[in-house]
Amino acid sequence: QVQLVQSGSELKKPGASVKVSCKASGYSFTTYTLNWVRQAPGQGFEWLGWINTNTGNPTYAQGFTGRFVFSLDTSVSTAYLQITNLKPEDTAVYFCARDSSGGNWFDPWGQGTLVSVSS
Amino acid sequence: IQLTQSPSSLSASVGDRVTITCRASQGISSYLAWYQQKPGKAPKVLIYAASTLQSGVPSRFSGSGSGTDFTLTISSLQPEDFATYYCQQLNTLPLTFGPGTKVDI
Repeated sequence: QVQLVQSGSELKKPGASVKVSCKASGYSFTTYTLNWVRQAPGQGFEWLGWINTNTGNPTYAQGFTGRFVFSLDTSVSTAYLQITNLKPEDTAVYFCARDSSGGNWFDPWGQGTLVSVSS
Repeated sequence: IQLTQSPSSLSASVGDRVTITCRASQGISSYLAWYQQKPGKAPKVLIYAASTLQSGVPSRFSGSGSGTDFTLTISSLQPEDFATYYCQQLNTLPLTFGPGTKVDI
């Protein structure tokens, strides 16, 4: 079945970097755009942006440029989110989510990766 | 585009009819999806294009609206429906989500 499986939880200190992976299976990886979304504890969702899995071209939402980098390894059907210079306010669950075939909803979502930033 | 949801939370009983509204700060045509999220889980899409029921989602869920005003209705609340519901607009970048409506007992 179509699914996205993310890497495990991370605990980092401020200023460190983290790389979250999102491995796709059950479909042609390069056919659908992949989105990154975060959810701070007890909060709603923020869309970080997306990456065109065919061209590798990323689009970042305002506020998520510079420290946030999307990348791909199409040979293993995996997308990555790297965050550098982590701040405590980056503490959140990070989700990858695939565009639908119609582009009008996200499905499926990865299970989420908790990134905790604390000294 | 900002999305507001009302109410922010509600208490209901099994069998109740529940309606959640989502309002967009500007018109988004029908580019709206509804998701259900349970604690510790990823969201699950219920409705897309404002009123289209996702395959496999029970028919007690329905959506309506276009432009700026949308509703999600659960016709007869079931125990498994106690969760938080979010709307999402996919008309304009950046994609945005509503703040959520928590439905509990």
